[in-house]
Amino acid sequence: DTGVSQDPRHKITKRGQNVTFRCDPISEHNRLYWYRQTLGQGPEFLTYFQNEAQLEKSRLLSDRFSAERPKGSFSTLEIQRTEQGDSAMYLCASSLGGTATVINNQPQHFGDGTRLSIL
Amino acid sequence: GENVEQHPSTLSVQEGDSAVIKCTYSDSASNYFPWYKQELGKRPQLIIDIRSNVGEKKDQRIAVTLNKTAKHFSLHITETQPEDSAVYFCAASHPLVVRGGANNLFFGTGTRLTVIP
Repeated sequence: DTGVSQDPRHKITKRGQNVTFRCDPISEHNRLYWYRQTLGQGPEFLTYFQNEAQLEKSRLLSDRFSAERPKGSFSTLEIQRTEQGDSAMYLCASSLGGTATVINNQPQHFGDGTRLSIL
Repeated sequence: GENVEQHPSTLSVQEGDSAVIKCTYSDSASNYFPWYKQELGKRPQLIIDIRSNVGEKKDQRIAVTLNKTAKHFSLHITETQPEDSAVYFCAASHPLVVRGGANNLFFGTGTRLTVIP
């Protein structure tokens, strides 16, 4: 399967603990996105990477959240001092992207997500 | 920012009938509109998308129409089958006008479609 893969699929942790999720995008995709999805809602954008550079962060991404994509391939999302409100599905998506100044939107392909439950 | 509204929130149809889901968006600069299907516990799966330079796109039983003036777009599924049952999300995205700028998607709240055999 050459789609987007995420690990782990499920994470249960106590409030106050740190958690880290991993995303492996489709290999030729240089753009990587993190979204959060709560029950009954659509995904909400968190942050975006083009290659290894984190170029945009949503206001939803508090200081407790940090994301990296060190070599422009896989990415990690860490949440420190987890809170009840962090319980959600964390989705990763990837897409192709060019380098021209004006770029058309490219389809984003999602992983199965990591479901985080805070006890 | 962009605001996408989606209706209805739930939709039940008899197998073989058509289903229509409608979305509106607020930012006239948005120019890319994908639709995703999400089954329970599964990833959102891109089923069709449309760019603002066309008004309609069709792929077998699925079609999407776009009205830029009214800022709304719709998903049409014909000859529905039980396997079409899922939650469908519309989304909108801005064009990238700056090198490296994100085209993050703004999603609607979803429509739960149930196809009754």
